[in-house]
Amino acid sequence: GAVVSQHPSWVICKSGTSVKIECRSLDFQATTMFWYRQFPKQSLMLMATSNEGSKATYEQGVEKDKFLINHASLTLSTLTVTSAHPEDSSFYICSARDPGIGLAGQETQYFGPGTRLLVL
Amino acid sequence: DQQVKQNSPSLSVQEGRISILNCDYTNSMFDYFLWYKKYPAEGPTFLISISSIKDKNEDGRFTVFLNKSAKHLSLHIVPSQPGDSAVYFCAASARSSSNTGKLIFGQGTTLQVKP
Repeated sequence: GAVVSQHPSWVICKSGTSVKIECRSLDFQATTMFWYRQFPKQSLMLMATSNEGSKATYEQGVEKDKFLINHASLTLSTLTVTSAHPEDSSFYICSARDPGIGLAGQETQYFGPGTRLLVL
Repeated sequence: DQQVKQNSPSLSVQEGRISILNCDYTNSMFDYFLWYKKYPAEGPTFLISISSIKDKNEDGRFTVFLNKSAKHLSLHIVPSQPGDSAVYFCAASARSSSNTGKLIFGQGTTLQVKP
């Protein structure tokens, strides 16, 4: 399957600082990437859809000014957690659709390994 | 509003036996369904998918069944192996004019395969 990488794999930061997480599709171009958040023992919650060359689409309840998303190229999307607080501590996972396989709208999403964020 | 539900939080199966993981959905617009396997502190790994035009898809030890009238799908793993022990998520998407391919995930079922 397609490979998606994330960097860093874990990060510890002080409250009030900003943290940037990178998501890259390594062997395919992704016009659309997705950012999820997972709390312990819970499901993956979609935060936003990242679109190359345009603004991200945020899910209800997700603050776009706090979680800045930039999809600078067909292989890179970044999520910046601004002014991080302890409640932002979570496991952040990105995914990318491989448009080369499947019908439009039915492409399989491939996930990165996730980034563990701990805000002190 | 939980559109995709996995009502069994956990399942324990003996090695070599069949594992059956279930998933129900409420949105009749969903037309593509996927199963992912996830280990702690890792991203989900794609296992198998099925389009709504089919009722069965098989890939090695994994088979997914779709019952559209019941809005129910299941993942069968046979024979189960200890390495299959993980959390399994079902996910669904609906084609729309925006074609975002957004996935809605169930809560997950933790499968334990005992040697």
